[in-house]
Amino acid sequence: DQQVKQNSPSLSVQEGRISILNCDYTNSMFDYFLWYKKYPAEGPTFLISISSIKDKNEDGRFTVFLNKSAKHLSLHIVPSQPGDSAVYFCVADTGNQFYFGTGTSLTVIP
Amino acid sequence: GAVVSQHPSWVICKSGTSVKIECRSLDFQATTMFWYRQFPKQSLMLMATSNEGSKATYEQGVEKDKFLINHASLTLSTLTVTSAHPEDSSFYICSAPDRALGNTEAFFGQGTRLTVV
Repeated sequence: DQQVKQNSPSLSVQEGRISILNCDYTNSMFDYFLWYKKYPAEGPTFLISISSIKDKNEDGRFTVFLNKSAKHLSLHIVPSQPGDSAVYFCVADTGNQFYFGTGTSLTVIP
Repeated sequence: GAVVSQHPSWVICKSGTSVKIECRSLDFQATTMFWYRQFPKQSLMLMATSNEGSKATYEQGVEKDKFLINHASLTLSTLTVTSAHPEDSSFYICSAPDRALGNTEAFFGQGTRLTVV
């Protein structure tokens, strides 16, 4: 049962434009979320997180939005750069376990 | 920042042999570590939760006798793939959350690419 879903397996964006990666979850008890970036044959690296007490968290070019009522979060990357091309995972952290989304492969076209 | 070191980064072994993968938390104590497996173009799949000093908790469908996990200390967890077969070829990643810092990101090892020939 996939409790964290990323319905877009891939996304292509022109360099300089905004990339929006979406994530939906089913468990209303999830209260902390993280986004990870993963290059092929490497471990995921942390990007940004958000607690359910917030609806937005910003760090440089990365902003995560959380809509608790819709059980939806999104990661915005602006401006997108070719080096951002990777697979992005949305993760829910319950404190005991991490639930990974299925991932979205982002390609930023120069 | 906290670092998790995973070794080896890649290994090729013959079918029927066993392979051990180590995951170390270098500057923090990890009472819990997670082991993941990734198939090509698929998400990371949680295999098991490794608990220091006790038995690992395996996810449904993961053979505990095939994927032996040992978490003998607060800084080391090992995953042994026993009697490896070509279908075990995959990318294995460990993760350790540093709960001393409260709710924070988990730190991941570099991953191990296992190829069974």
